[in-house]
Amino acid sequence: EDQVTQSPEALRLQEGESSSLNCSYTVSGLRGLFWYRQDPGKGPEFLFTLYSAGEEKEKERLKATLTKKESFLHITAPKPEDSATYLCAVQERGSQGNLIFGKGTKLSVKP
Amino acid sequence: DGGITQSPKYLFRKEGQNVTLSCEQNLNHDAMYWYRQDPGQGLRLIYYSQIVNDFQKGDIAEGYSVSREKKESFPLTVTSAQKNPTAFYLCASSNSYEQYFGPGTRLTVT
Repeated sequence: EDQVTQSPEALRLQEGESSSLNCSYTVSGLRGLFWYRQDPGKGPEFLFTLYSAGEEKEKERLKATLTKKESFLHITAPKPEDSATYLCAVQERGSQGNLIFGKGTKLSVKP
Repeated sequence: DGGITQSPKYLFRKEGQNVTLSCEQNLNHDAMYWYRQDPGQGLRLIYYSQIVNDFQKGDIAEGYSVSREKKESFPLTVTSAQKNPTAFYLCASSNSYEQYFGPGTRLTVT
């Protein structure tokens, strides 16, 4: 059973069409939730860390939010350069810093 | 420039050969990690090290080995015992909560 589930698997948007990506988790105690961006053939790039329900973080057109069971990555007025795979990962309380990753959402933004 | 380097970017090996992937960081991070990424799957943890001269197995350690003789370096050896070694390998380091990743090495074994 997956502990971190991301949906949808793939999302195609027109430039300027806002949407949200979902990350749901079932770990018993959350130490932190992380969002990464990954371009094809490259390593993941760190975006945000969220620690507690109600927390929000923003960076340019991206805004991450956290509840007790899931996180959303909102993309406002996306541009083609936002096309990438977005990865969500959680860190359990009591772990040695290990991350549990979801399978990612592949976002394509067409001009 | 501070960061994590992995070399080489692409690596080709014949089945039955051991191969070592390099990972170096100059971020002064204590912890280092190795992940494997396959199409359609999330990143899976192979090995991690919280401190020099100490490391622990992750979820899929079978067929892999590591060493941590220096804080800056955490090489991964893919042995002939690893049944499906062809994959994208990612190294990461951390000094607190966030992990920062290198550019990855794509290993192809035929």
